[in-house]
Amino acid sequence: AQSVTQLDSHVSVSEGTPVLLRCNYSSSYSPSLFWYVQHPNKGLQLLLKYTSAATLVKGINGFEAEFKKSETSFHLTKPSAHMSDAAEYFCVVSVPTGTASKLTFGTGTRLQVTL
Amino acid sequence: DGGITQSPKYLFRKEGQNVTLSCEQNLNHDAMYWYRQDPGQGLRLIYYSQIVNDFQKGDIAEGYSVSREKKESFPLTVTSAQKNPTAFYLCASSQNSNQPQHFGDGTRLSIL
Repeated sequence: AQSVTQLDSHVSVSEGTPVLLRCNYSSSYSPSLFWYVQHPNKGLQLLLKYTSAATLVKGINGFEAEFKKSETSFHLTKPSAHMSDAAEYFCVVSVPTGTASKLTFGTGTRLQVTL
Repeated sequence: DGGITQSPKYLFRKEGQNVTLSCEQNLNHDAMYWYRQDPGQGLRLIYYSQIVNDFQKGDIAEGYSVSREKKESFPLTVTSAQKNPTAFYLCASSQNSNQPQHFGDGTRLSIL
């Protein structure tokens, strides 16, 4: 069975300061891991994905995440927050099922960016 | 421009009424999915389909039905048996089991 724990439901940062969104996972398989972002009343947009290649994954809009197997963590970071980064972020574990995939979502972290 | 189109964006249902949410993709993806999102929660899987004329129940299939008659279309019907249908519904698709899922912009369903 898979599970995802996002350790903070809400994070607030000032514009220009670093962002850290924390995620721990549990999986019976060697997982694929994703971070998605959701703006209000919108669908989910893929930020980045880890699929057992490099442990440091670079994504869109300056975000990156590091896969740490020993800590079962996949934290999302960005060196400098921008106002447009304010949104809900989801950490997701994916396992294959036939030709499809089954996703397990964390409960989300709402990122607030202040001036 | 390839993507997933969900319609309508907002939908209202009367008590005892069935409603159908549309999902169309032009990404040529084999697999399609329906999720439900409630405030403060992650997404929960309702149904998914790996190929045409095939679909499987997800974690919360009760009160919902789907069909997959064409590769590009995967409509979801919310039946009167679904007692708490108010939610944000998201459709997704994927090329195969190793590729990420791509999401539409969702349909918000409310009860009158």
